[in-house]
Amino acid sequence: SQTIHQWPATLVQPVGSPLSLECTVEGTSNPNLYWYRQAAGRGLQLLFYSIGIDQISSEVPQNLSASRPQDRQFILSSKKLLLSDSGFYLCAWKGQANTEAFFGQGTRLTVV
Amino acid sequence: AQSVTQLDSQVPVFEEAPVELRCNYSSSVSVYLFWYVQYPNQGLQLLLKYLSGSTLVKSINGFEAEFNKSQTSFHLRKPSVHISDTAEYFCAVSVRGGSQGNLIFGKGTKLSVKP
Repeated sequence: SQTIHQWPATLVQPVGSPLSLECTVEGTSNPNLYWYRQAAGRGLQLLFYSIGIDQISSEVPQNLSASRPQDRQFILSSKKLLLSDSGFYLCAWKGQANTEAFFGQGTRLTVV
Repeated sequence: AQSVTQLDSQVPVFEEAPVELRCNYSSSVSVYLFWYVQYPNQGLQLLLKYLSGSTLVKSINGFEAEFNKSQTSFHLRKPSVHISDTAEYFCAVSVRGGSQGNLIFGKGTKLSVKP
Protein backbone atom coordinates (compact mmCIF):
# COMPACT_ATOMS: atom_id res chain seq x y z
CA SER A 1 0.00 0.00 0.00
CA GLN A 2 1.02 3.59 -0.47
CA THR A 3 2.16 5.80 2.38
CA ILE A 4 3.36 9.37 2.68
CA HIS A 5 5.82 10.59 5.29
CA GLN A 6 6.29 14.22 6.20
CA TRP A 7 8.65 15.60 8.79
CA PRO A 8 9.17 17.22 11.16
CA ALA A 9 5.72 17.44 12.75
CA THR A 10 6.46 20.74 14.44
CA LEU A 11 9.18 23.31 13.96
CA VAL A 12 9.99 26.63 15.59
CA GLN A 13 12.49 28.72 13.67
CA PRO A 14 13.80 32.28 14.11
CA VAL A 15 13.25 34.92 11.46
CA GLY A 16 16.02 34.83 8.88
CA SER A 17 16.91 31.19 9.40
CA PRO A 18 16.77 28.59 6.60
CA LEU A 19 14.05 25.96 6.22
CA SER A 20 13.91 22.45 4.86
CA LEU A 21 10.78 20.31 5.06
CA GLU A 22 10.86 16.85 3.55
CA CYS A 23 8.17 14.60 2.17
CA THR A 24 8.53 11.08 0.80
CA VAL A 25 6.04 8.70 -0.73
CA GLU A 26 6.27 4.92 -0.69
CA GLY A 27 4.51 2.25 -2.70
CA THR A 28 3.97 4.16 -5.92
CA SER A 29 6.01 5.54 -8.78
CA ASN A 30 5.88 8.77 -10.77
CA PRO A 31 3.32 10.44 -8.49
CA ASN A 32 2.24 14.04 -8.77
CA LEU A 33 3.45 15.81 -5.63
CA TYR A 34 2.11 18.93 -3.98
CA TRP A 35 2.93 21.38 -1.21
CA TYR A 36 0.02 23.25 0.40
CA ARG A 37 0.01 25.84 3.17
CA GLN A 38 -2.87 26.22 5.56
CA ALA A 39 -3.35 29.47 7.44
CA ALA A 40 -6.14 30.00 9.94
CA GLY A 41 -9.38 30.94 8.24
CA ARG A 42 -7.85 30.90 4.78
CA GLY A 43 -8.19 27.30 3.73
CA LEU A 44 -5.45 25.53 1.82
CA GLN A 45 -3.26 27.35 -0.63
CA LEU A 46 -1.38 25.39 -3.27
CA LEU A 47 2.27 26.46 -3.20
CA PHE A 48 4.03 24.05 -5.58
CA TYR A 49 3.27 20.99 -7.63
CA SER A 50 5.47 18.57 -9.49
CA ILE A 51 4.64 16.07 -12.23
CA GLY A 52 8.15 14.60 -12.35
CA ILE A 53 11.75 14.81 -11.18
CA ASP A 54 13.07 18.37 -11.41
CA GLN A 55 9.71 19.54 -12.80
CA ILE A 56 8.37 22.08 -10.34
CA SER A 57 5.60 24.60 -10.86
CA SER A 58 4.99 27.48 -8.48
CA GLU A 59 1.47 28.70 -7.94
CA VAL A 60 2.19 31.69 -5.76
CA PRO A 61 5.23 34.02 -5.71
CA GLN A 62 6.80 33.80 -2.29
CA ASN A 63 9.79 33.33 -0.10
CA LEU A 64 9.78 29.56 -0.58
CA SER A 65 11.13 27.12 -3.14
CA ALA A 66 10.61 23.43 -3.82
CA SER A 67 12.76 20.66 -5.25
CA ARG A 68 12.21 17.07 -6.32
CA PRO A 69 15.61 15.38 -6.40
CA GLN A 70 14.12 11.88 -6.58
CA ASP A 71 10.88 10.48 -7.95
CA ARG A 72 9.20 10.15 -4.55
CA GLN A 73 10.89 12.93 -2.61
CA PHE A 74 9.63 16.50 -2.41
CA ILE A 75 11.41 19.20 -0.41
CA LEU A 76 10.19 22.64 0.60
CA SER A 77 12.90 25.18 1.36
CA SER A 78 13.60 28.75 2.25
CA LYS A 79 16.89 30.61 2.55
CA LYS A 80 15.54 33.15 5.03
CA LEU A 81 12.27 32.70 6.84
CA LEU A 82 9.80 35.53 7.37
CA LEU A 83 7.19 35.81 10.11
CA SER A 84 4.53 35.44 7.42
CA ASP A 85 5.86 31.98 6.56
CA SER A 86 4.30 30.59 9.73
CA GLY A 87 1.55 28.06 9.08
CA PHE A 88 0.65 24.43 8.65
CA TYR A 89 2.39 22.87 5.65
CA LEU A 90 0.93 19.82 3.99
CA CYS A 91 2.49 17.54 1.42
CA ALA A 92 0.24 15.46 -0.83
CA TRP A 93 0.55 12.97 -3.66
CA LYS A 94 -1.68 11.73 -6.47
CA GLY A 95 -1.07 8.65 -8.55
CA GLN A 96 -1.56 8.66 -12.28
CA ALA A 97 -4.61 6.41 -11.89
CA ASN A 98 -6.11 8.41 -9.03
CA THR A 99 -8.50 11.32 -9.09
CA GLU A 100 -7.91 12.37 -5.49
CA ALA A 101 -4.83 13.44 -3.57
CA PHE A 102 -3.55 11.85 -0.37
CA PHE A 103 -2.10 14.02 2.36
CA GLY A 104 0.70 13.72 4.87
CA GLN A 105 0.26 14.59 8.53
CA GLY A 106 1.57 18.10 8.10
CA THR A 107 4.27 20.30 9.64
CA ARG A 108 3.36 23.11 12.03
CA LEU A 109 5.91 25.87 11.37
CA THR A 110 6.17 28.81 13.73
CA VAL A 111 8.57 31.58 12.81
CA VAL A 112 9.56 33.69 15.81
CA ALA B 1 -10.14 29.15 -13.26
CA GLN B 2 -11.95 27.29 -10.55
CA SER B 3 -13.10 28.51 -7.15
CA VAL B 4 -14.87 26.96 -4.19
CA THR B 5 -17.05 28.73 -1.65
CA GLN B 6 -17.97 27.23 1.70
CA LEU B 7 -20.65 29.49 3.03
CA ASP B 8 -20.28 28.70 6.73
CA SER B 9 -16.98 29.00 8.55
CA GLN B 10 -18.38 27.39 11.71
CA VAL B 11 -21.35 25.12 12.32
CA PRO B 12 -22.26 24.20 15.92
CA VAL B 13 -24.78 21.39 16.37
CA PHE B 14 -25.95 19.09 19.13
CA GLU B 15 -25.19 15.40 19.09
CA GLU B 16 -27.70 13.30 17.10
CA ALA B 17 -28.95 16.37 15.21
CA PRO B 18 -28.78 16.55 11.41
CA VAL B 19 -26.21 18.76 9.74
CA GLU B 20 -25.59 20.26 6.31
CA LEU B 21 -22.30 21.83 5.27
CA ARG B 22 -22.67 23.91 2.17
CA CYS B 23 -20.32 24.06 -0.80
CA ASN B 24 -20.65 25.92 -4.09
CA TYR B 25 -18.11 25.95 -6.88
CA SER B 26 -17.38 27.91 -10.01
CA SER B 27 -15.70 26.47 -13.08
CA SER B 28 -15.84 26.91 -16.85
CA VAL B 29 -14.86 23.24 -17.36
CA SER B 30 -16.05 19.98 -15.89
CA VAL B 31 -14.67 19.14 -12.48
CA TYR B 32 -14.38 16.36 -9.96
CA LEU B 33 -15.73 17.20 -6.50
CA PHE B 34 -14.38 16.15 -3.12
CA TRP B 35 -14.98 16.49 0.58
CA TYR B 36 -12.01 16.12 2.91
CA VAL B 37 -12.01 16.04 6.72
CA GLN B 38 -9.24 17.31 8.98
CA TYR B 39 -8.94 16.47 12.67
CA PRO B 40 -6.85 18.81 14.86
CA ASN B 41 -3.18 18.96 13.91
CA GLN B 42 -3.53 16.25 11.32
CA GLY B 43 -3.51 16.00 7.55
CA LEU B 44 -6.59 15.80 5.38
CA GLN B 45 -8.48 12.58 4.80
CA LEU B 46 -10.75 11.99 1.84
CA LEU B 47 -14.36 11.67 2.98
CA LEU B 48 -16.11 11.20 -0.35
CA LYS B 49 -15.89 12.16 -3.99
CA TYR B 50 -18.06 12.69 -7.04
CA LEU B 51 -16.59 11.71 -10.37
CA SER B 52 -19.59 10.80 -12.53
CA GLY B 53 -22.79 8.78 -12.50
CA SER B 54 -25.17 8.93 -9.56
CA THR B 55 -25.23 12.42 -8.14
CA LEU B 56 -25.58 11.14 -4.56
CA VAL B 57 -22.38 9.78 -3.05
CA LYS B 58 -21.95 8.31 0.41
CA SER B 59 -19.12 7.71 2.87
CA ILE B 60 -18.70 4.73 5.13
CA ASN B 61 -19.39 6.78 8.27
CA GLY B 62 -22.83 8.10 7.34
CA PHE B 63 -22.03 11.29 5.44
CA GLU B 64 -23.46 11.90 2.01
CA ALA B 65 -23.16 14.63 -0.60
CA GLU B 66 -25.22 15.44 -3.65
CA PHE B 67 -23.88 16.98 -6.82
CA ASN B 68 -26.24 19.57 -8.24
CA LYS B 69 -25.00 20.78 -11.61
CA SER B 70 -27.60 23.48 -12.10
CA GLN B 71 -26.84 25.05 -8.72
CA THR B 72 -23.11 24.21 -8.93
CA SER B 73 -23.31 22.82 -5.43
CA PHE B 74 -21.97 19.80 -3.55
CA HIS B 75 -23.44 20.04 -0.05
CA LEU B 76 -22.43 17.55 2.64
CA ARG B 77 -25.08 16.08 4.94
CA LYS B 78 -25.39 13.70 7.83
CA PRO B 79 -28.75 12.81 9.39
CA SER B 80 -27.37 12.30 12.92
CA VAL B 81 -23.95 13.55 14.04
CA HIS B 82 -21.67 12.18 16.75
CA ILE B 83 -19.17 13.92 18.99
CA SER B 84 -16.44 12.24 16.96
CA ASP B 85 -17.56 14.13 13.83
CA THR B 86 -16.10 17.32 15.32
CA ALA B 87 -13.51 18.40 12.76
CA GLU B 88 -12.90 20.81 9.91
CA TYR B 89 -14.39 19.90 6.56
CA PHE B 90 -13.05 21.08 3.23
CA CYS B 91 -14.76 21.03 -0.14
CA ALA B 92 -12.48 20.83 -3.17
CA VAL B 93 -12.55 20.56 -6.96
CA SER B 94 -10.10 19.49 -9.60
CA VAL B 95 -10.34 19.73 -13.37
CA ARG B 96 -11.82 16.60 -14.91
CA GLY B 97 -9.18 14.80 -16.90
CA GLY B 98 -6.45 17.26 -15.97
CA SER B 99 -2.97 15.76 -15.79
CA GLN B 100 -1.85 17.98 -12.92
CA GLY B 101 -4.71 17.07 -10.59
CA ASN B 102 -4.38 20.26 -8.58
CA LEU B 103 -7.04 20.56 -5.92
CA ILE B 104 -8.72 23.91 -5.34
CA PHE B 105 -10.08 24.12 -1.81
CA GLY B 106 -12.70 26.14 -0.04
CA LYS B 107 -11.79 27.87 3.22
CA GLY B 108 -13.24 25.10 5.32
CA THR B 109 -16.13 24.66 7.75
CA LYS B 110 -15.49 23.82 11.38
CA LEU B 111 -18.12 21.42 12.63
CA SER B 112 -18.51 21.42 16.40
CA VAL B 113 -20.74 18.71 17.84
CA LYS B 114 -21.90 19.34 21.41
CA PRO B 115 -23.33 16.80 23.83
